[in-house]
Amino acid sequence: SQKIEQNSEALNIQEGKTATLTCNYTNYSPAYLQWYRQDPGRGPVFLLLIRENEKEKRKERLKVTFDTTLKQSLFHITASQPADSATYLCALDIDNAGNMLTFGGGTRLMVKP
Amino acid sequence: GAVVSQHPSRVICKSGTSVKIECRSLDFQATTMFWYRQFPKKSLMLMATSNEGSKATYEQGVEKDKFLINHASLTLSTLTVTSAHPEDSSFYICSARGFTGVINEQFFGPGTRLTVL
Repeated sequence: SQKIEQNSEALNIQEGKTATLTCNYTNYSPAYLQWYRQDPGRGPVFLLLIRENEKEKRKERLKVTFDTTLKQSLFHITASQPADSATYLCALDIDNAGNMLTFGGGTRLMVKP
Repeated sequence: GAVVSQHPSRVICKSGTSVKIECRSLDFQATTMFWYRQFPKKSLMLMATSNEGSKATYEQGVEKDKFLINHASLTLSTLTVTSAHPEDSSFYICSARGFTGVINEQFFGPGTRLTVL
C-alpha cells in the first residue's frame, strides 16, 4: 500500500539547536513534495515545495532535502526558536496531476527555551 | 500568499441537526476545492474533492448523503453535515487549489471545529 510516514513521536529540542524532521514514502514517484506547518486548532500553512530534480531547497532558517532514491525528505530548522513549536506535515501530490495532496501523519516539534 | 476563509470557525450543535460550513477563496479562483477532516493528534484525511459546477468526488468510506458538498462558484464551496451525531465531532478543513502563475497551488482554510452534543 502507499504510505507517507513521519515520526509520530514528538521531537523535543533546545532553543538554538537544529531540528531535523523526516518524511519517508513508499510506492510513489512524486514530482514534488511539500512541507506544511500546523498550529493547534488551525489549518496547515504552506512552507516549502521541493521538486524531484532539486536536491535541496532553502528558505530563511528552513532547509528541505529530497532524495528520490531513498524516497525520503528531510526538513531542517536551524537556530530553532520556541515559536517554531508546531506540527510539521509533509505532503505529496500522489498522482502528479495537480489534483490532490496526501499528507503524512505529522511530527510535533517542541522547542524549549 | 492566497487566502482561504472558513465560516464558522467553531460550531456546537445538537445531535440530529444539520450544520453548514462555508469555504471561500478570497483572492483567487479555485478550480478545485477539497474538504479534509482531522481528529485530535491525527493527520488530515481527505473527505472529498469538488470542482466548480460538478458533483463532488468522495473518498472511500465517506457518506455522500451525510456530507453534502456544493461548489457553487469558483470562490465558494460548502460542506453540510446532515443529521449530525457526536461521532461527527471533528476539525474540518477546506482547501482551495488554483493556478497562481507557476503551478497549481493549494491553500488551506483555518478550519472549523464542530462539536455535536
